[in-house]
Amino acid sequence: DSGVTQTPKHLITATGQRVTLRCSPRSGDLSVYWYQQSLDQGLQFLIQYYNGEERAKGNILERFSAQQFPDLHSELNLSSLELGDSALYFCASNSREDSRTNEQFFGPGTRLTVL
Amino acid sequence: GEDVEQSLFLSVREGDSSVINCTYTDSSSTYLYWYKQEPGAGLQLLTYIFSNMDMKQDQRLTVLLNKKDKHLSLRIADTQTGDSAIYFCAEGDTGFQKLVFGTGTRLLVSP
Repeated sequence: DSGVTQTPKHLITATGQRVTLRCSPRSGDLSVYWYQQSLDQGLQFLIQYYNGEERAKGNILERFSAQQFPDLHSELNLSSLELGDSALYFCASNSREDSRTNEQFFGPGTRLTVL
Repeated sequence: GEDVEQSLFLSVREGDSSVINCTYTDSSSTYLYWYKQEPGAGLQLLTYIFSNMDMKQDQRLTVLLNKKDKHLSLRIADTQTGDSAIYFCAEGDTGFQKLVFGTGTRLLVSP
């Protein structure tokens, strides 16, 4: 158990809908990362937050957005969903101590299925 | 550019050694990592190697790094059925930086 929790575990929704994925980082970790794992794109970095501020952006679609709250949990919002958004979405976190080696601790993921 | 490639599949017998290979393109990466993904679980960091090292050993795991050829390998000695999983190599930098993952290698260990 990495200490990172993600809810829900599974999400099934229809095209055009909007969903919110939630991540609670390990206690005290200030940095949160979101990754998407899909069959065609592999495991790709989406976005990173550090202590409430967006720090880096990867291949994140404009339909997707994220935020990190004062209690450090993070939410990934996916809107106008398309079939191709079906994927496993991972959240990872780390602390200043981990940042030297950039070890990231991953949650179990949220599996999103868009029908 | 960032591109990390791995072979898709490896099948070995229990007790044999497994070698999973990875090639990467970003020579400026400070660290290279091996992550393991079991079904229904997140990614678990197995080991990492600093880019100025050639080899790192950690119990049954041996990581070899050939910086000139940008080639990384993970050797698992005495492979067990519990080692069956998908293995990802990744590259990254020190500090709060994203990880760039390879395509993943599915390791199947048969009794």
